[in-house]
Amino acid sequence: ETGVTQSPTHLIKTRGQQVTLRCSSQSGHNTVSWYQQALGQGPQFIFQYYREEENGRGNFPPRFSGLQFPNYSSELNVNALELDDSALYLCASSFSSDGQETQYFGPGTRLLVL
Amino acid sequence: AQSVTQPDIHITVSEGASLELRCNYSYGATPYLFWYVQSPGQGLQLLLKYFSGDTLVQGIKGFEAEFKRSQSSFNLRKPSVHWSDAAEYFCAVGPLHTDKLIFGTGTRLQVFP
Repeated sequence: ETGVTQSPTHLIKTRGQQVTLRCSSQSGHNTVSWYQQALGQGPQFIFQYYREEENGRGNFPPRFSGLQFPNYSSELNVNALELDDSALYLCASSFSSDGQETQYFGPGTRLLVL
Repeated sequence: AQSVTQPDIHITVSEGASLELRCNYSYGATPYLFWYVQSPGQGLQLLLKYFSGDTLVQGIKGFEAEFKRSQSSFNLRKPSVHWSDAAEYFCAVGPLHTDKLIFGTGTRLQVFP
């Protein structure tokens, strides 16, 4: 168990809709990252939040946005859903121990866009 | 460009046999390397990581990996595979102090009794 939870586990949306995915981290984990894992692929970095501020972004359009809250929860929002957004979305939280980040992944939310 | 290559898409071994999963990386700075395992329908579990020091790293579940800078490799090994090791294995590289990991495409391990 990593102590990172995600909701919902599965979600079906239609093209053009908006979706919000949620993640709850362990207490003290002040960094959260989101990844998209398409079927048969490795996870791809979407963005990272550190102390409620975006701290780096991968090659994803602005319709992918996020929020991080003081209670160690966070959200990934995707607007104007496209078919290619169908994937497993993983959040990962981390803390710094001796200057070395240790990252813990949640079980993911599987999104299907029809 | 920064990248991770896992040349083997699918590997099949017999239970009790040894295992080596290959990982090659391309990274401009000092690489920090990770191996994760993903069981069907699950998230990623950290097996081991290399930041510095001894180039042979021990992880959980009897796995180890060796960092070879000259070959830009970080291969994962296990001396005797168990049926429960069947899963997808991902190698990843990233900079220190961030979580912006770059993952390979994974190697699916199948274990026969």
